[in-house]
Amino acid sequence: GAGVSQSPSNKVTEKGKDVELRCDPISGHTALYWYRQSLGQGLEFLIYFQGNSAPDKSGLPSDRFSAERTGGSVSTLTIQRTQQEDSAVYLCASSFVRAGGGYEQYFGPGTRLTVT
Amino acid sequence: GQNIDQPTEMTATEGAIVQINCTYQTSGFNGLFWYQQHAGEAPTFLSYNVLDGLEEKGRFSSFLSRSKGYSYLLLKELQMKDSASYLCAVMDSNYQLIWGAGTKLIIKP
Repeated sequence: GAGVSQSPSNKVTEKGKDVELRCDPISGHTALYWYRQSLGQGLEFLIYFQGNSAPDKSGLPSDRFSAERTGGSVSTLTIQRTQQEDSAVYLCASSFVRAGGGYEQYFGPGTRLTVT
Repeated sequence: GQNIDQPTEMTATEGAIVQINCTYQTSGFNGLFWYQQHAGEAPTFLSYNVLDGLEEKGRFSSFLSRSKGYSYLLLKELQMKDSASYLCAVMDSNYQLIWGAGTKLIIKP
């Protein structure tokens, strides 16, 4: 596709259930990022994948959160035993390496997660 | 620690000019980005500065001073569709983007 896609666009789940969020990056982009954004707030970094390197998991808020990226392309963010404070929009972004070092990130439309 | 500071909210009039400031303190510097985010939508890229000076792109311009840890986004000939949040982000020495909380810009007729 032409851009980053995410699924589902909306997810309502009960507290304590597990959820999986999917991200399809732009073809050829080696870097993939997951962010979380609560209403009216800025972007909260969660995890970063770059090529075949070990992912940077420094932003994951707890061990209930995990992510993987298969074949250097599609990524899945998993939240186990969801809590109400997990409710937010989860954004995925991908990027390539710009000559000179800049990494322009392209964002997907996000998944709005609501934990009831 | 690392931080990005920008005003929470600004108001401007249609047809006017507005300047949104961003100051930063980060571990290293590999460029500064500005993104636009309309309510309920994902951020979209506006500009990238890595050298000091002004980058102009149509009605939007972005300025950087690395010695002052300072940038601004200048929007000219404001239109109602420019009402959005404007996010400043700095790429640090690990090539990670550090994001500001965003400036909500309200355009009035």
